[in-house]
Amino acid sequence: KAGVTQTPRYLIKTRGQQVTLSCSPISGHRSVSWYQQTPGQGLQFLFEYFSETQRNKGNFPGRFSGRQFSNSRSEMNVSTLELGDSALYLCASSLLTGPGELFFGEGSRLTVL
Amino acid sequence: KNEVEQSPQNLTAQEGEFITINCSYSVGISALHWLQQHPGGGIVSLFMLSSGKKKHGRLIATINIQEKHSSLHITASHPRDSAVYICAVGSSNYQLIWGAGTKLIIKP
Repeated sequence: KAGVTQTPRYLIKTRGQQVTLSCSPISGHRSVSWYQQTPGQGLQFLFEYFSETQRNKGNFPGRFSGRQFSNSRSEMNVSTLELGDSALYLCASSLLTGPGELFFGEGSRLTVL
Repeated sequence: KNEVEQSPQNLTAQEGEFITINCSYSVGISALHWLQQHPGGGIVSLFMLSSGKKKHGRLIATINIQEKHSSLHITASHPRDSAVYICAVGSSNYQLIWGAGTKLIIKP
């Protein structure tokens, strides 16, 4: 069974640009959640999607957005990139929403110059 | 005060030692997760528990709901156990609140 796949693994952008990250969950999983990890802040919850609907949202500005497709694949987008957006972006999938075991991807490491 | 506190922040031990990492939380929870993150970023879920104790190999996780406290134990520690161990609690709306992590180094 394939794990959670995140693409791209590494990317470099400049301030003001926008970026789209992709997450393909484990087959059959319907919940995808996104996290930002920075050295100073640790893991911060961005949002969770279940059956194409955003179920929860963390405390991030509107520049951070996401969506989920009918095949449960999810994308997150960050517009007008700032230096502080440099981070490891992790997604996790689970079978259902609610308290369940999480399966993480390897992450997408974004560097903003 | 953070809603999820882990201790210690850093822990260095010799191979074979018994390791304990603690997690205290101040919110009502639906479940508590212990996860492991190796250098490079990949995160692996170790345990999800809402009561009692779970064991997997050399790893044991316990939770005391009344005291709002959980511990992760590693028996017969090995250098490959070196990683960051993260505690996360699922709040009433199932959103995860993360601890800052405990960086564990096991020396041979």
